[in-house]
Amino acid sequence: DAKTTQPNSMESNEEEPVHLPCNHSTISGTDYIHWYRQLPSQGPEYVIHGLTSNVNNRMASLAIAEDRKSSTLILHRATLRDAAVYYCILRDRGVNFGNEKLTFGTGTRLTIIP
Amino acid sequence: NAGVTQTPKFRILKIGQSMTLQCAQDMNHNYMYWYRQDPGMGLKLIYYSVGAGITDKGEVPNGYNVSRSTTEDFPLRLELAAPSQTSVYFCASSYPGQGKYFGPGTRLTVT
Repeated sequence: DAKTTQPNSMESNEEEPVHLPCNHSTISGTDYIHWYRQLPSQGPEYVIHGLTSNVNNRMASLAIAEDRKSSTLILHRATLRDAAVYYCILRDRGVNFGNEKLTFGTGTRLTIIP
Repeated sequence: NAGVTQTPKFRILKIGQSMTLQCAQDMNHNYMYWYRQDPGMGLKLIYYSVGAGITDKGEVPNGYNVSRSTTEDFPLRLELAAPSQTSVYFCASSYPGQGKYFGPGTRLTVT
């Protein structure tokens, strides 16, 4: 499985944008980049995913480097409720049995400062 | 939609006891999963299923069993509980290729 590298922790001020980096230098051409987050004492929550182009949804934006070896999750205006562990995960886009076995690493713990 | 529901929320087992963790989803998802998360660690896949009657092992299946008799339900069975199975257990479901929806978790302590 292709691996991802994320900083262990980050801090950001409330109401400011947050950029969460992820390196995936061994990504293959068929890997999607998925982001999940886990709030304290809760199950993980799907945030966003993309393949090549930048993606936006109501929760966040995903910026993907042109060579796809890195990506950045952008929270446009952080709130205290965004304090969580954020996971960057690669998933092969093939729709088969084995590709659903996402590997969750230890992620980035985001702290929001009031 | 209730999404993914799990019961119980908390449980304490003695070594050697057995129990079943319940998981249900009402989104008609084909795929369902069981993960465990130890303190300060990421999630590890125990078992997963791509549809009723079809299950397969994940990274850490030893000591667990599953069944999938309906699309909605995916119970996880612990036989002969051991302290190493103390963890938080998460059930999830998804359509193929789409984001996963996770339940709130079951916190299990084996003493």
